[in-house]
Amino acid sequence: DAGVIQSPRHEVTEMGQEVTLRCKPISGHNSLFWYRQTMMRGLELLIYFNNNVPIDDSGMPEDRFSAKMPNASFSTLKIQPSEPRDSAVYFCASSLALAGGGPNTGELFFGEGSRLTVL
Amino acid sequence: GENVEQHPSTLSVQEGDSAVIKCTYSDSASNYFPWYKQELGKGPQLIIDIRSNVGEKKDQRIAVTLNKTAKHFSLHITETQPEDSAVYFCAAIRPYGNNRLAFGKGNQVVVIP
Repeated sequence: DAGVIQSPRHEVTEMGQEVTLRCKPISGHNSLFWYRQTMMRGLELLIYFNNNVPIDDSGMPEDRFSAKMPNASFSTLKIQPSEPRDSAVYFCASSLALAGGGPNTGELFFGEGSRLTVL
Repeated sequence: GENVEQHPSTLSVQEGDSAVIKCTYSDSASNYFPWYKQELGKGPQLIIDIRSNVGEKKDQRIAVTLNKTAKHFSLHITETQPEDSAVYFCAAIRPYGNNRLAFGKGNQVVVIP
C-alpha cells in the first residue's frame, strides 16, 4: 500500500483565499483524522471521521474550517477565508478502528503533511 | 479530557549514549500509550507502544516503561545513532469511547556524532 497520500505538499496563498487540502487514507482503514502542527501548539486534532461520519470536530478552530469525507477513500479540509495564523503543517492520518465500539487501538498512519503558508 | 506533557523539550546526546524522554498523563482511565517518531519533513510514525497491563516493553534499542500509579511513561533509546535524531511524541488514549489520541508537544532529540 502507498500509505496515506496528501496533496498539495506545499501551498502558499494570500490572506482571504480559499485553501483545500486533500487526503487519501490507506485502503481498508475506517477512521480518518486531520491534525494541525505548529511549533507553539504541537499536534492538534482538528476533526476525525469514523466510517465517513464526523465523530469529533471540537478541535476545528472556527467556522472558517470545514472538513468532508464523501467516501471511504477521500477527504478534504477547507479553510475559507484563510488567515496568516492558519499557517502550519496539516496532517491527515488513518487507522483501523475495531467495529462495534471495541477498544481503541490508537495506531495512526500519517501522511507526509501539507505545509500551508498564508501571506 | 486527557492532558499529556513531555519533558525535556530538547535533548542532546552523544552518539552511543542513551536517551530518555518522560511523559506524564492526567486521565487514569487511559490504557494505551504509543510513541511516535517524526523525521524532518515527514509525518509521525509509530515506533513502540505499551498497554497498561504491562510495565515494560522492548524492541531492539528502544524500550518503553509505564508507571500507572504515578501516571508517567518513558521512552528509552540505547546506543543512540545519528538516525535517531528526530522529534518524538508520546500519546495516551482511553480504551473505549471517543477515539481521540492525545499527543504531547514533542521532544527534539539530537544525536551528536
